[in-house]
Amino acid sequence: DIVMTQSPDSLAVSLGERATINCKSSQSVLYSSNNKNYLAWYQQKPGQPPKILIYWASTRVSGVPDRFSGSGSGTDFTLTISSLQAEDVAVYYCQQYYSTLFTFGPGTKVDIK
Amino acid sequence: EVQLVESGGGLVQPGGSLRLSCAASGFTFSTYWMHWVRQAPGKGLVWVSRINSDGRDTTYADSVKGRFTISRDNAKNTLYLQMNSLRLEDTAVYYCARDPGSNNWYVDPPFDYWGQGTLVTVSS
Repeated sequence: DIVMTQSPDSLAVSLGERATINCKSSQSVLYSSNNKNYLAWYQQKPGQPPKILIYWASTRVSGVPDRFSGSGSGTDFTLTISSLQAEDVAVYYCQQYYSTLFTFGPGTKVDIK
Repeated sequence: EVQLVESGGGLVQPGGSLRLSCAASGFTFSTYWMHWVRQAPGKGLVWVSRINSDGRDTTYADSVKGRFTISRDNAKNTLYLQMNSLRLEDTAVYYCARDPGSNNWYVDPPFDYWGQGTLVTVSS
């Protein structure tokens, strides 16, 4: 199975400042035949189901604010919130869909400092 | 409007069984993969199982393989999860999630819609 890890476990950022979350997979999720990274990012607010933000490591889902961006390739990925807003307080998860044993990272909690 | 509504959760003793349902509406259910994902209280997301659009291909997390069975009834627009030999560690909110399938990820993202979840509590 592909194991996903995230860092940090939690972070507190001032409103308007940048938040950066890292995700690492135990093996590459880059499919060489199409040069696509099978990596997604989800946001989960308290009491709500998760919501997908980004897939293919860097493609924003329609309607997601452009302050959210994804980068990385192979085994190392980053989710960046360029200017944190109050409504961004949530837990963020990365997930690989390279394998049909889909796996999530443990999550990173983002709070306001 | 896409809607996924889970039901069937509740309190069950260790070793017992439970069947969860996920009623789908607002889209052509028979053309989508479906997943079950669970979340223990205060913990992270754990993928449980996936079924393809016609129900002939299924995959399971190692933690539930041999105990849980995913199935679907495309005529009833309903996804199921039969859970047997339940353990304390199966206690969680169980979400169903829609997925356009690997051939369609170039157009639409995986796990694009989720239900609100149903709570399963395994306790004596």
